[in-house]
Parts: sequence; structure tokens; C-alpha cells
Amino acid sequence: GAVVSQHPSRVICKSGTSVKIECRSLDFQATTMFWYRQFPKQSLMLMATSNEGSKATYEQGVEKDKFLINHASLTLSTLTVTSAHPEDSSFYICSARKAGGQETQYFGPGTRLLVL
Amino acid sequence: GQNIDQPTEMTATEGAIVQINCTYQTSGFNGLFWYQQHAGEAPTFLSYNVLDGLEEKGRFSSFLSRSKGYSYLLLKELQMKDSASYLCAPMDSNYQLIWGAGTKLIIKP
Repeated sequence: GAVVSQHPSRVICKSGTSVKIECRSLDFQATTMFWYRQFPKQSLMLMATSNEGSKATYEQGVEKDKFLINHASLTLSTLTVTSAHPEDSSFYICSARKAGGQETQYFGPGTRLLVL
Repeated sequence: GQNIDQPTEMTATEGAIVQINCTYQTSGFNGLFWYQQHAGEAPTFLSYNVLDGLEEKGRFSSFLSRSKGYSYLLLKELQMKDSASYLCAPMDSNYQLIWGAGTKLIIKP
């Protein structure tokens, strides 16, 4: 199998607070995890690529100090949205790629963030 | 530049067959993925083609022509639950998936 979980599935927070989202590969080891953001009726937008034990690689235009990514183990990556603002409200989705050269990305169920 | 071209929306009838076409341009190529995404949910993996030809997997088949930069997803015996967006995602030379907006498929009874 290739199951990826995300927690929480939904979060509502006040502007200025920080929110942490966890992404776990449940039945496989993932050397690489990806964080995406998707606004309604738009395509997936890659935010960053996270490799276990090293710093994440951020896409152009994504603030690394605002979106902190930690990939501390082969089964867990976290995304922290610091000082969240209403414009950060979106659907955040992680994906994981199995160790061993397979290229398929398996997606978590996503986290819907609403910043008031 | 890198881009993907898919129809924005398609409509088909329950029990019928539908083909969703995708043309792409990428910097290098390491295969092409098809994902299904239901409204409000994350994408789920359908298929991966790296060589030319047709890959069949149950009711779904995917075709790739690398020389033409072309792929299609074929869905047979359509069911109402197949109503979703279908995302064609080629992988470039950096092993990054390139995402478009996908094709919204509407199934009518």
C-alpha cells in the first residue's frame, strides 16, 4: 500500500497565530515529501520539496520563513504556517514518494486552513 | 516554458466511454502521471506512463506518445462516482510534476 495521512484535516485560526500541519507516510518510508497549496478551482501549486534530514527546497515566491518545513524522519514531515493571515487560507496537501527510486507521489487527504 | 493543455470540462453519460486528452511541453521528461481529484479532496494516483503505448488498469487506460507530447486517459463503463477532475501531470528533468488545472468530468445518468 501507499497511505499518507495529514493532521489536522481542517483548522480555523485567528490572524497572527501559527499552525502546524503534519504529513505522515503510514506504510512506507518516504525520502521525499512535497507540500502543495491549492486555491478553489485552481491547479496544485508546489510550495516546497522536503528531503529527510536536509533543508527543504522552496519554489520561487514561497517565503521559507513563513512556511517552515521540517522532515525529521522517513515517515514525517511538518509544515508550519507562521503568523497566518487570511490570504493564507487554502487547501494544503502533502505528498510522499517512496524510497527506492519509485517516482509516484502519493497524496495525503489535505488540510483545509481558514484564517479569520 | 512548461505547459499542459487539457480540456477544461467534459460531459459524458453513465455507462459510456470517454477519452481525456492531454498535450504537454516540458524541460526534459521522466514520465507522465494521471491523477483523479474529487471536489474538495486531494488527488489520488491513477496511472504512470514512461514508455510509449497503452497501459490498461481495469476500467481506466492511459496512453502515451513521447514524440508527440501527447497522452490520453480512457475511462470505460462510466459510473456516477467517476465525476471528478482528472489531472495530467508530466514529470520534468528535475523529477518535478508539472500541474495544470485538469479536466472536470461530469457524468450524467
